[in-house]
Amino acid sequence: DAKTTQPTSMDCAEGRAANLPCNHSTISGNEYVYWYRQIHSQGPQYIIHGLKNNETNEMASLIITEDRKSSTLILPHATLRDTAVYYCIVSPRSGAGSYQLTFGKGTKLSVIP
Amino acid sequence: NAGVMQNPRHLVRRRGQEARLRCSPMKGHSHVYWYRQLPEEGLKFMVYLQKENIIDESGMPKERFSAEFPKEGPSILRIQQVVRGDSAAYFCASSPSSSGTSRTYEQYFGPGTRLTVT
Repeated sequence: DAKTTQPTSMDCAEGRAANLPCNHSTISGNEYVYWYRQIHSQGPQYIIHGLKNNETNEMASLIITEDRKSSTLILPHATLRDTAVYYCIVSPRSGAGSYQLTFGKGTKLSVIP
Repeated sequence: NAGVMQNPRHLVRRRGQEARLRCSPMKGHSHVYWYRQLPEEGLKFMVYLQKENIIDESGMPKERFSAEFPKEGPSILRIQQVVRGDSAAYFCASSPSSSGTSRTYEQYFGPGTRLTVT
């Protein structure tokens, strides 16, 4: 009962923008979209989250479609250190399950020199 | 401004022994979560604790596994009588204690403890 669908892998040239898509067609009104990444053998790292508006922070931008059924994580200038598995996670804002992050397979992003 | 600390980073146990994994949350965080990552799989939630309380242990195996977060000291994940299937990376995360803000559910992960059962 996967809540999100992501491509298995993607390549991106160093210095270019990396656009990672995620489908979450069954998302409900109180669920946020979270993005985490896991660099090889390390603990996951929080990147960004959003509800319905586009969000930007020092790491990335998150674009959520108007119907909220999909989103795109944008790394504006990918570096070799951005090579990682990126997880798109849908989770309720509060209540049961809000703290249970469900990590699927994610997208393995390879940044190429 | 240390992050989440876990020790040991690597732990080898023989079948039947006990494994104790420790997690010190970030300063000011009173919520701790444990996740397990089997080889080639995503992380799976195990348990959520606040100081001296287990809030949700729905992801924890019913037998041999226990967790605690005492008033003083680190959170402990304890696995008794380990079996080969327990070999995995165990990650601890923490989050701020404030509620009602968007930062409540940002979880900050430690480097993990890699348990190998021989």
